[in-house]
Amino acid sequence: NAGVMQNPRHLVRRRGQEARLRCSPMKGHSHVYWYRQLPEEGLKFMVYLQKENIIDESGMPKERFSAEFPKEGPSILRIQQVVRGDSAAYFCASSPGPGGPYYNEQFFGPGTRLTVL
Amino acid sequence: AQSVTQPDIHITVSEGASLELRCNYSYGATPYLFWYVQSPGQGLQLLLKYFSGDTLVQGIKGFEAEFKRSQSSFNLRKPSVHWSDAAEYFCAVPRHRPQTGGGADGLTFGKGTHLIIQP
Repeated sequence: NAGVMQNPRHLVRRRGQEARLRCSPMKGHSHVYWYRQLPEEGLKFMVYLQKENIIDESGMPKERFSAEFPKEGPSILRIQQVVRGDSAAYFCASSPGPGGPYYNEQFFGPGTRLTVL
Repeated sequence: AQSVTQPDIHITVSEGASLELRCNYSYGATPYLFWYVQSPGQGLQLLLKYFSGDTLVQGIKGFEAEFKRSQSSFNLRKPSVHWSDAAEYFCAVPRHRPQTGGGADGLTFGKGTHLIIQP
């Protein structure tokens, strides 16, 4: 069973460009979470999605950031008009729906390291 | 919202020595508690978790943690560290109190403890 997959692993963008980060959850998982890790910091929750639904986006910056988890395909975290302060590692995690033995346990991907020049 | 404090930013331990990493939480109910490890340039791997029951929890790689409600703590321990244990360690709780019947939620992480192993 493949783990959580994220791509690209490294992404370099110039200020003002768009960044698109992709996350494929573990097979059978229907919940996806995005976190941001700034240097020397812990992970900060950004958004929690289920298929075709945003459940909690209270950790997302109000502007330029959006996330989706379509019926088919990976979850996408999109950052428009990137600025240097967006440089960070972005991690995706997935968990199964309620009822399974690992309910509420999250499995993390390797992260995408975004560098904004 | 729930919160987690890891008071030690860096800890240095000699290889073969015992280890204890501290974690204190603020939580309005019986907490779910997690310890994750992050190796350089990698994602997070779950070491162990506490949901209920026995307060001493065994995890992978020889780690254990003890839930102490009276101290609001969930400290991570290992009797003898190996050089490969050098990494960043994060304690985490769900962002919100569990709903009736449980509810998936994002996690709140501590700032992490950087573990250095001396030869």
